[in-house]
Amino acid sequence: RKEVEQDPGPFNVPEGATVAFNCTYSNSASQSFFWYRQDCRKEPKLLMSVYSSGNEDGRFTAQLNRASQYISLLIRDSKLSDSATYLCVVEGQAGTALIFGKGTTLSVSS
Amino acid sequence: DAGITQSPRHKVTETGTPVTLRCHQTENHRYMYWYRQDPGHGLRLIHYSYGVKDTDKGEVSDGYSVSRSKTEDFLLTLESATSSQTSVYFCAITTDRGGTEAFFGQGTRLTVV
Repeated sequence: RKEVEQDPGPFNVPEGATVAFNCTYSNSASQSFFWYRQDCRKEPKLLMSVYSSGNEDGRFTAQLNRASQYISLLIRDSKLSDSATYLCVVEGQAGTALIFGKGTTLSVSS
Repeated sequence: DAGITQSPRHKVTETGTPVTLRCHQTENHRYMYWYRQDPGHGLRLIHYSYGVKDTDKGEVSDGYSVSRSKTEDFLLTLESATSSQTSVYFCAITTDRGGTEAFFGQGTRLTVV
């Protein structure tokens, strides 16, 4: 099992749609979880951290299920500007570094 | 802005030549990382550093070496570049050890011909 797995997509949705991305991770000892956003030919940037109780930031909601080792990101009311690649990120073994999923590509159209 | 600068931003080099990429940070953070990003593989960790002269290997370290003689600079060297090392290289820093938010440089596009 790869350390962090994501559905690569692409997800093609119209403006205003709700879209969900899922991610699974293999290191049960991981304590830190994040979603990053990466625009084409740019560096990744933090979208939001993921907390055990779930957390929301505007139109974005992140959930963590430690028992299933599963992370999700929900985007409501999609905007054209949400088009990007979304990276699921998990703390690596012994907290050495962050481990990145391959990313899920989202394309929002008008 | 985490004050991370990568140089060069683009480079084309020939197979077998040595190449050094530089990551410079202005915030005095201990923790620095080199990743490479390739289609179908995502971001993969090459080497990381927890301080001056304190470095360790990541997932894809073969063919790469690093040095950190000053807190602000983390150098990645390809001793003898190969076409398989054509990639986008990202430097990152974290404010604490590896499980905290990472800030990335703008990346270096390296092409080995």
